[in-house]
Amino acid sequence: AQSVTQLGSHVSVSEGALVLLRCNYSSSVPPYLFWYVQYPNQGLQLLLKYTSAATLVKGINGFEAEFKKSETSFHLTKPSAHMSDAAEYFCAVHSGGYQKVTFGTGTKLQVIP
Amino acid sequence: KAGVTQTPRYLIKTRGQQVTLSCSPISGHRSVSWYQQTPGQGLQFLFEYFSETQRNKGNFPGRFSGRQFSNSRSEMNVSTLELGDSALYLCASSPLGGGEKLFFGSGTQLSVL
Repeated sequence: AQSVTQLGSHVSVSEGALVLLRCNYSSSVPPYLFWYVQYPNQGLQLLLKYTSAATLVKGINGFEAEFKKSETSFHLTKPSAHMSDAAEYFCAVHSGGYQKVTFGTGTKLQVIP
Repeated sequence: KAGVTQTPRYLIKTRGQQVTLSCSPISGHRSVSWYQQTPGQGLQFLFEYFSETQRNKGNFPGRFSGRQFSNSRSEMNVSTLELGDSALYLCASSPLGGGEKLFFGSGTQLSVL
């Protein structure tokens, strides 16, 4: 079984401040982990993916995430928020094989000027 | 390469009607997944097709069905529509499915009145 929990359905940060979006997962096997972003009226697009090659994963638009097995976490960070980062962010887990990808409930990021 | 195309973009139906949504994956992609997105429930997995075979199915009633054609295009059908079926329906494709990156379409926004 696999599941994802995203803490905080809404997060607000000031422009230039650190962005931290939290994700905890549950998986019976070493998982693949993803962060996707959804801009208004659009589908989701991949920010980054963890595949066990490295615990710190760098993605697009300056985002990165760190895999911490002991904490079963995969939090998303960005050092300095930009107005264009305002969107909804989804963490997802896949436990291998042909299982489905399970998404978290999403976190809406608001960036305050 | 053209992205994932979903048609129509918007649909308005009344309770009891049925609806068919279409998804054309990226050329060469054989896996197509469908998701229902609502504000309260987030992204809920409907089903996944690979080479015309349903490989995974989520926890939705039998009113929700799908199929995939030999050219990998996919359709989903919802019969006897209910108010609660109002949602954004997203289609995603990938070359083989599994833990690969998903490419999403912009979705079909279904409103049931």
